[in-house]
Amino acid sequence: DTGVSQNPRHKITKRGQNVTFRCDPISEHNRLYWYRQTLGQGPEFLTYFQNEAQLEKSRLLSDRFSAERPKGSFSTLEIQRTEQGDSAMYLCASSPWSALGQFFGPGTRLTVL
Amino acid sequence: KNEVEQSPQNLTAQEGEFITINCSYSVGISALHWLQQHPGGGIVSLFMLSSGKKKHGRLIATINIQEKHSSLHITASHPRDSAVYICAAKRDGNTGKLIFGQGTTLQVKP
Repeated sequence: DTGVSQNPRHKITKRGQNVTFRCDPISEHNRLYWYRQTLGQGPEFLTYFQNEAQLEKSRLLSDRFSAERPKGSFSTLEIQRTEQGDSAMYLCASSPWSALGQFFGPGTRLTVL
Repeated sequence: KNEVEQSPQNLTAQEGEFITINCSYSVGISALHWLQQHPGGGIVSLFMLSSGKKKHGRLIATINIQEKHSSLHITASHPRDSAVYICAAKRDGNTGKLIFGQGTTLQVKP
């Protein structure tokens, strides 16, 4: 499968725990995006990488959130001290440098108890 | 007011009906996506438009740049079309980030 993959697909955690999600974009896609989608809403932009550089972060991304893309390939999104309000679907998308379209992964559904 | 607005929020149709979902945006864009999301599933890109009209099977997407409006049409709707349909605007600029509408939940009844 050469699409965008995300792991894990589901994560249930207790409030206060740290969680880390992984996104593997389509090979050679320079751009990588993280979005968050809460129930009944459209996704919201969180952050964007061009290769390994994190070029934009939404104000939704509090200091408990950190994202990395260390070698310009896969990316991780970590949430520290999770809160119930962090429960959502976390979506990753990638695109080539000059393309307009984005390819989405299946998402990681986080439930914070 | 959201930068990307969709209507209706919910839509129920009978199998075979012609369906239209509308999307209006207030920002400058370089392209507009129509996306499909099934319950518990990931997002699939249906169309990406920067002008005019595109057709794929029973799906048609149109965009009017001057009016900042796009529509997604489904002809001869089928229960398997039941899903959430989301429009997302790619803003002018270098990042390419998408601004999403809130989605339209479509249920097609047999």
